[in-house]
Amino acid sequence: DSGVTQTPKHLITATGQRVTLRCSPRSGDLSVYWYQQSLDQGLQFLIQYYNGEERAKGNILERFSAQQFPDLHSELNLSSLELGDSALYFCASSPGTPGSSGNTIYFGEGSWLTVV
Amino acid sequence: GNSVTQMEGPVTLSEEAFLTINCTYTATGYPSLFWYVQYPGEGLQLLLKATKADDKGSNKGFEATYRKETTSFHLEKGSVQVSDSAVYFCALSVAGGSYIPTFGRGTSLIVHP
Repeated sequence: DSGVTQTPKHLITATGQRVTLRCSPRSGDLSVYWYQQSLDQGLQFLIQYYNGEERAKGNILERFSAQQFPDLHSELNLSSLELGDSALYFCASSPGTPGSSGNTIYFGEGSWLTVV
Repeated sequence: GNSVTQMEGPVTLSEEAFLTINCTYTATGYPSLFWYVQYPGEGLQLLLKATKADDKGSNKGFEATYRKETTSFHLEKGSVQVSDSAVYFCALSVAGGSYIPTFGRGTSLIVHP
């Protein structure tokens, strides 16, 4: 158990809909990361938050957004869903400040999204 | 930019065979290097890491040595078990900026009894 909790574990939704994925980082971790894992694209970094502030953006679509709340949990919002958005979405957290390269990041078990 | 290249899988071995999964990298700056493992239906777990040249990371019988001269961090295990069947990801991160780990595409390992 990594200590990172993601909900829901699975969801199925229709094209055009909107979903919210939730993440609780490990206790004390200030950085939260979102990744998308699909068979054809591998593990893609989407976005990072540190202590409530957005720190870095990766390959995140404009239809997707995220935020980190004062209690440090994070949500990833996916809207106008398309079939190609079907993937496993991981949240991860790390204890250190940005810029500390030796930090280990800890992954949740992921949220499986199927768009039909 | 930063990138990680791993050997393509799947790698299929018999139990007790020797394992090597190759990983090479390019980085702007001095990276830390990691191996993560993903068991079926689970998230990625840190397997081992090394933060400077010539360091050897080890865990659960797996080892990898940070080779700066060849920009490599190959994963090895002397005798694999069926329970080692998983996907293995090599990753790096570089100090400075936001610290975003860069992952390879993963190598699937299948171990047969």
